Formats: sequence, C-alpha cells, structure tokens
Amino acid sequence: QITLKESGPTLVKPTQTLTVTCTFSGFSLTTNGVGVGWIRQPPGKALEWLAFIYWDDEKHYSPSLESRLTITNDTSKNQVVLTMTNMDPVDTGTYFCAHSNLYDIVTGYGNYFDYWGQGTLVTVSS
Amino acid sequence: ETVMTQSPATLSVSPGERATLSCRASQSVSSNLAWYQQKPGQAPRLLIYGASTRATGIPARFSGSGSGTEFTLTISSLQSEDFAVYYCQQYDNWPRAFGQGTKVEIK
Repeated sequence: QITLKESGPTLVKPTQTLTVTCTFSGFSLTTNGVGVGWIRQPPGKALEWLAFIYWDDEKHYSPSLESRLTITNDTSKNQVVLTMTNMDPVDTGTYFCAHSNLYDIVTGYGNYFDYWGQGTLVTVSS
Repeated sequence: ETVMTQSPATLSVSPGERATLSCRASQSVSSNLAWYQQKPGQAPRLLIYGASTRATGIPARFSGSGSGTEFTLTISSLQSEDFAVYYCQQYDNWPRAFGQGTKVEIK
C-alpha cells in the first residue's frame, strides 16, 4: 500500500526558506521508473506543478520557480525534500507530494500522479 | 511550455444528467493526459490516465477521450459524490502542467 505524507512548518516569514518533507511508504525511490513530485495549491485556486525527482536522481523544475527550488531524495529515510527560498505571501498554499511511475502496464507510459499525500498548508506572513 | 486550458470554469448540472468537461493543450501531448477529481479539503484523486483509461476503482460513468490537443472528460450520470473540481494534467513534456480546473456544481 502506497502512502505519502507531507510535513513542514505551518507558518514562515517573508524572505525565509521553506523546507517541506514528503515521507512515503509502500515503494522505494531506488526502483527503476519511480518518481515523486511536488504540487501546490493556493487557497481557492488551481493546482500548480512545482518539481519532480526520479529514481535515478533526474530532476525537473517549474521554469518560473526554478531559481528558488531544490528537490532532493533521501533513500535511507524514504523521504523527498523540497526547499523553496525567498518565500513571499503569494507562496501561501497547500503543498502536496505525489507518487508517479514512468511505466504503466496498460498504456506503457506512466508519469501521472496516482497516489497523493494529504497536503500541508503553509502560510507566509510576517 | 505546454499550457492547459479547461472549459467551462463552472458547470451547473442536475443529478442524473451528463457532464462534459473540456481540456485543451497548447501543443500536442499525444495521449499523455490525466484527469483528477478534487473535493474540498482533500487531495486530488486520479480518475483517468492515458486520456481514456480509468484508474483503479473509478466507476464506469467516468470516461475520457481525445488525443493531441483536445480532450474530454464525460460523467454519464452525475451522482451526488461527483460534485467537485476536476483538473486535467499533461505528462508528455516538461514542465508538467495542470489546467485551471472545472467546478461541477449542483444545478
């Protein structure tokens, strides 16, 4: 059974760095094809894709946020960590992590998000 | 970057009626398109992937179609639990992208 859970501060001040952690179980990020992504959602607004990391440490970032984002994988702890620098009130929202697999037995190509964490709400305010 | 555009923003439908949601990609994403359902206070749930394949446990009243740049999610007979926000997402190229969502509300 695959589960993911996000954790991190509920409140950060403007200009600070946010660190959110995704702790997962039921899969390993050393398995060929597996990946974890981060998605956020401002209150009342749409989902926004942020970053992604594959089992082989290949990484991808949202171009508009790339200069502020770092995604890393700690295989020993079954965790994926996202850091976002220079936080601003517009970064307020729920941050989700989600599982993905490059391979799908039906279509051959996966990479959609099939399991999601519950999300963690981060408020940026002084 | 591929921009995903969903329409309409809000769809008012009576229970038992059909709902048709649209998603357009700014460039071809082949069939690498997923649909998610999100209810208030919950994480998104995968409904459809590969443009038309239902995820595990998804009822048959949900169906997806399309390829390239035009996609449709159809809910054949809306149940009370289907009133939610629906997002499409392309996973064909980087960066991945979500549409802005369609809210399906009770008429």
